[in-house]
Amino acid sequence: GAVVSQHPSRVICKSGTSVKIECRSLDFQATTMFWYRQFPKQSLMLMATSNEGSKATYEQGVEKDKFLINHASLTLSTLTVTSAHPEDSSFYICSARVDRGAYEQYFGPGTRLTVT
Amino acid sequence: LAKTTQPISMDSYEGQEVNITCSHNNIATNDYITWYQQFPSQGPRFIIQGYKTKVTNEVASLFIPADRKSSTLSLPRVSLSDTAVYYCLVDLDTGRRALTFGSGTRLQVQP
Repeated sequence: GAVVSQHPSRVICKSGTSVKIECRSLDFQATTMFWYRQFPKQSLMLMATSNEGSKATYEQGVEKDKFLINHASLTLSTLTVTSAHPEDSSFYICSARVDRGAYEQYFGPGTRLTVT
Repeated sequence: LAKTTQPISMDSYEGQEVNITCSHNNIATNDYITWYQQFPSQGPRFIIQGYKTKVTNEVASLFIPADRKSSTLSLPRVSLSDTAVYYCLVDLDTGRRALTFGSGTRLQVQP
């Protein structure tokens, strides 16, 4: 159990367009999901914390109007990159938190975004 | 959050045992040590977690000395498929809040 999926796995879009990335917990409910970004040869950097039914909490330096996060249900969080630019090209990874007495996090497979 | 220091990269050959050491001098009393593995273009995968002494599972062993200021991930008889980046994380709440990833160790296994 504890499988997290992301869709799409990779996407190419033109500069100025918007792209939506979905993160789903397939076999458990997740009130909290996290969104990370990873540039080539670098580590994962937290972008925001997504809470079901409330506004996301963004890390310093992450534009909330550019990276829209919606956690509409206990199994789905979406990240929309608005007006994408080439510098937004990156690997976006989500994780979902499950509480089984102790907290555990499970990562999705990631989404490769390329903005041309 | 305790800062961690790992070697940037390591090389090994198939069949060898690989030991990756992580330094965490400022580890707090209630912190746990967790290791993740990440293959290219994939999300991180949990490998092993421990608090003290030794933990072993079907994938790896984790050695933690008494002072807990370092830990060593041991991969027995590595194969080419173990080529990946390995991250050492130290945190109180093992999953409640977002995880802080350091630079990780890039392991390259040669045939």
